[in-house]
Amino acid sequence: KAGVTQTPRYLIKTRGQQVTLSCSPISGHRSVSWYQQTPGQGLQFLFEYFSETQRNKGNFPGRFSGRQFSNSRSEMNVSTLELGDSALYLCASSSGGSLGYTFGSGTRLTVV
Amino acid sequence: GESVGLHLPTLSVQEGDNSIINCAYSNSASDYFIWYKQESGKGPQFIIDIRSNMDKRQGQRVTVLLNKTVKHLSLQIAATQPGDSAVYFCAENGDTGNQFYFGTGTSLTVIP
Repeated sequence: KAGVTQTPRYLIKTRGQQVTLSCSPISGHRSVSWYQQTPGQGLQFLFEYFSETQRNKGNFPGRFSGRQFSNSRSEMNVSTLELGDSALYLCASSSGGSLGYTFGSGTRLTVV
Repeated sequence: GESVGLHLPTLSVQEGDNSIINCAYSNSASDYFIWYKQESGKGPQFIIDIRSNMDKRQGQRVTVLLNKTVKHLSLQIAATQPGDSAVYFCAENGDTGNQFYFGTGTSLTVIP
């Protein structure tokens, strides 16, 4: 079965702009989590959605938001981009709990 | 917040030798742990997992050991190959069970 699909793969934005990233989970998976990965850092948890509801949220400013649609696809949005938002944004899907936590290849965001 | 740390940021091994990557975790409530491998330009790839009711689990060329007493996790790779060169992350599921906390990663380099 298809894996987790993230689009776009690469993105360049200017400071102050906003961006929307998309994630299509594995078929049948209802949970989608988002992470930010920066050079030299581990993965930092952004938020997790299950059945269109945000269940958990990490310690990121309100500029970072997300949503999930009825087909389990998820989007995350970053408004008023800052240089420090440059990172690899990863999403992971699972059936609902911890098992089968599978990552996509990520979206590389560069803010200039 | 959770703290998942790695003892060594880099590890170099000769091809054919065994590799051991260590990880310390802080939340005694974590009951599920995963090791991921991340190659350049890709998302983290699941390697092996272990539940807290086990202290050892084996896969193909990989073994994960869990010591709950000292909150320590290790990944052993047998007969390390050049294709094993990557960054390895451990992750724990913390209190909520559906959010993972990652270490900063260990970069494994296999010397031919």
